[in-house]
Amino acid sequence: ETGVTQTPRHLVMGMTNKKSLKCEQHLGHNAMYWYKQSAKKPLELMFVYNFKEQTENNSVPSRFSPECPNSSHLFLHLHTLQPEDSALYLCASSPWTGEAFFGQGTRLTVV
Amino acid sequence: KNEVEQSPQNLTAQEGEFITINCSYSVGISALHWLQQHPGGGIVSLFMLSSGKKKHGRLIATINIQEKHSSLHITASHPRDSAVYICAVRSSYDKVIFGPGTSLSVIP
Repeated sequence: ETGVTQTPRHLVMGMTNKKSLKCEQHLGHNAMYWYKQSAKKPLELMFVYNFKEQTENNSVPSRFSPECPNSSHLFLHLHTLQPEDSALYLCASSPWTGEAFFGQGTRLTVV
Repeated sequence: KNEVEQSPQNLTAQEGEFITINCSYSVGISALHWLQQHPGGGIVSLFMLSSGKKKHGRLIATINIQEKHSSLHITASHPRDSAVYICAVRSSYDKVIFGPGTSLSVIP
């Protein structure tokens, strides 16, 4: 248990659906991150939030929309995804320059 | 060429063996992380290094900034160490770059 909780753990959605992934931490960390891990590829950083402000967006398609209402919660809103978006989505939090703590991930399948 | 490389890509060891996983990078960095990912996806951060050496239990991580190289050592390996080990660097311009991972299998 890392202190970072992601829900749901598994999600199957159609290409026309809208769904959201949730990440929560009560570690007092300022920074929160979304990562994508596709099969046989390195982890890819998607978004970074620091003190609720987005500080990094690594050219992620607009069908992925992050939201950080406060320093403890991070959402990833999904709409009109493609099958190639099927992947493991990982959330992490850290002090701004400190070690990251990862959630267990959400295994997303787009059908 | 990837900015962060790891070797070996896959590793099978007998229980009790000493294991070394290597990471080399080609960019200036402010920190290097070693991560462990178990089957099913959960990731645990093992070490964050900016210089020297760190030890935690049976795990030792070293970094040589001049040579742009880091190693993760596991002493007295155990089947529960079976996982993918990922090297990640935070570059000097604040970008996080991940290595491709090393898949370790420890056989009883």
